[in-house]
Amino acid sequence: DAKTTQPTSMDCAEGRAANLPCNHSTISGNEYVYWYRQIHSQGPQYIIHGLKNNETNEMASLIITEDRKSSTLILPHATLRDTAVYYCPSGDGGSQGNLIFGKGTKLSVKP
Amino acid sequence: DAGVIQSPRHEVTEMGQEVTLRCKPISGHDYLFWYRQTMMRGLELLIYFNNNVPIDDSGMPEDRFSAKMPNASFSTLKIQPSEPRDSAVYFCASSYGGPATDTQYFGPGTRLTVL
Repeated sequence: DAKTTQPTSMDCAEGRAANLPCNHSTISGNEYVYWYRQIHSQGPQYIIHGLKNNETNEMASLIITEDRKSSTLILPHATLRDTAVYYCPSGDGGSQGNLIFGKGTKLSVKP
Repeated sequence: DAGVIQSPRHEVTEMGQEVTLRCKPISGHDYLFWYRQTMMRGLELLIYFNNNVPIDDSGMPEDRFSAKMPNASFSTLKIQPSEPRDSAVYFCASSYGGPATDTQYFGPGTRLTVL
């Protein structure tokens, strides 16, 4: 079972910031927080990752709480092309550290 | 680099037939993953390889499913015999490092329909 919790869906107005939350209360100390997205009919695409510090790249910013139990992915100026399902996969806690993607958050950017 | 390559992109077959899905990982990546995606269950890991060796196949649903990686540049996922409930999109992904420690790069997927 997925060890992260994400809202099923969210809406965002074009040009506004999209803030996608993820709860990962069982994350282990050395486990990275990863975010991926999947645009319709395509394979999932890496967005950003971090361990403890906040991170920013050309696609998004990642805010990780100090206790690492939750994170927020920020798309600063959402466009229609950002409409996708966003995942924050978690490790399964086993020795192999397999990622569990779950069902993610369906973000709809509206004009 | 061309990214992860999967073939075929679409496959329609009849129940009972053998289905073989193919994947070419990104050159230099040591890990290869097979995932299955359905509306009901989302994206699920089936099996992954490290340096061509299967490491964890606990996600493989049953004995009808098998996966091989004969060399670093090729892997197959075989379903024999296929059943309608196997209808899904199957993704292959590869990475330099392990599943929870490195970025995975996904292929475009194979959409399988079993009639």
